[in-house]
Amino acid sequence: SYELTQPPSVSVSPGQTATITCSGEKLGDKYVSWYQQRPGHSPLMVIFQDEQRPSGIPERFSGSNSGSTATLTISGARTLDEAAYFCLAWDNDTAVFGRGTKLTVL
Amino acid sequence: QVQLVQSGSELKKPGASVKISCQASGYSFTYFSMHWVRQAPGQGLEWMGWINTNTGIPTYAQAFTGRFVFSLDTSVKTAYLQINNLKTEDTAVYYCARESTTGTTAADPWGQGTLVTVSS
Repeated sequence: SYELTQPPSVSVSPGQTATITCSGEKLGDKYVSWYQQRPGHSPLMVIFQDEQRPSGIPERFSGSNSGSTATLTISGARTLDEAAYFCLAWDNDTAVFGRGTKLTVL
Repeated sequence: QVQLVQSGSELKKPGASVKISCQASGYSFTYFSMHWVRQAPGQGLEWMGWINTNTGIPTYAQAFTGRFVFSLDTSVKTAYLQINNLKTEDTAVYYCARESTTGTTAADPWGQGTLVTVSS
């Protein structure tokens, strides 16, 4: 079955750039979306179709996808960005989530 | 605004059944499919499958065939997840999430989640 690999954790200081990766076979050929989940909350879509930002999501969130790796970048990370981030892609009509990356901003 | 409101927490014994609801508002219910996602305690997100709200046809992920049933009541804009023969490992938060308006490859928005606890 298809797998998406994310680092378990990423840590940055406030104002720094946080980079979270998601790797999978030929992932660049698929659309990737990203979800933020703060503790005790439902997931929130922050990026769709690799690089598109939904209305209301701050410009500091951006995405890219090429080859076998998709990347979520948070420029000028803020403490309120501290959360788990999950990537999502489809393979053979099945949705697959990455295991998630815990972002710490402190 | 678009909203998905799920039913409240459930405490069940092994072998029992549970039916979770997800009521939609703010959009045409039958225009977008509904995903179901499981999150075990302290774990990541697991896609269970989805149901076409126009045809009522469900699609189940491989790990969720047999005991899991997706259904609809379009008259009240509600999707349901029923889990039969509950096991302790079914203890999790279950989310409904609408197919995104941006395309079928994304899910947005999400319900608030329903905690199902299975314990004897």
